[in-house]
Amino acid sequence: SQQGEEDPQALSIQEGENATMNCSYKTSINNLQWYRQNSGRGLVHLILIRSNEREKHSGRLRVTLDTSKKSSSLLITASRAADTASYFCATDAPFQGGSEKLVFGKGTKLTVNP
Amino acid sequence: NAGVMQNPRHLVRRRGQEARLRCSPMKGHSHVYWYRQLPEEGLKFMVYLQKENIIDESGMPKERFSAEFPKEGPSILRIQQVVRGDSAAYFCASSPMDRTEAFFGQGTRLTVV
Repeated sequence: SQQGEEDPQALSIQEGENATMNCSYKTSINNLQWYRQNSGRGLVHLILIRSNEREKHSGRLRVTLDTSKKSSSLLITASRAADTASYFCATDAPFQGGSEKLVFGKGTKLTVNP
Repeated sequence: NAGVMQNPRHLVRRRGQEARLRCSPMKGHSHVYWYRQLPEEGLKFMVYLQKENIIDESGMPKERFSAEFPKEGPSILRIQQVVRGDSAAYFCASSPMDRTEAFFGQGTRLTVV
């Protein structure tokens, strides 16, 4: 079953506006990561936030994590047409025996109109 | 340091044939993950391997699918007797020992005709 669920499923904004995407998950985690996927391409790692962190920045990206609500948000400020892509959150789901795997949500499809 | 290399990028197979997808992890990475992505969907975990060991195959279909990561050479995802429903993009990711970040390949797009 899906661990992470992003919302909204699709988001369309104008260039220069901010874009906020949310991710909710079900079980406790060690880390939460955000990835970007351009149409027909592989995934690009954006940012990792650990369970003991509340906020992290990387350039125009800001990620927050609320472990009490089991949710995270990704904010892209001053968006550009090149930010058009699908954005996925991924959590590491503990697996018996101590190994973890990344479990992905269905993604938010962001369109930034020039 | 080359990234995760997957080949082929595109693979067309007729129903009933075998598909072999290859993944060379980043240098120094000992963990490999395979994911499947259907159009407009997220990535579904299939299998997690370390060298010569399958750690977690909870996402693999029980039949026709197998994966290996030998001591030498790339990881292989093998699909026997392919069916139309196997058409998807298959992504491989690798991570270092501490598993802090997974790097993805460009994927193999399998089309079953």
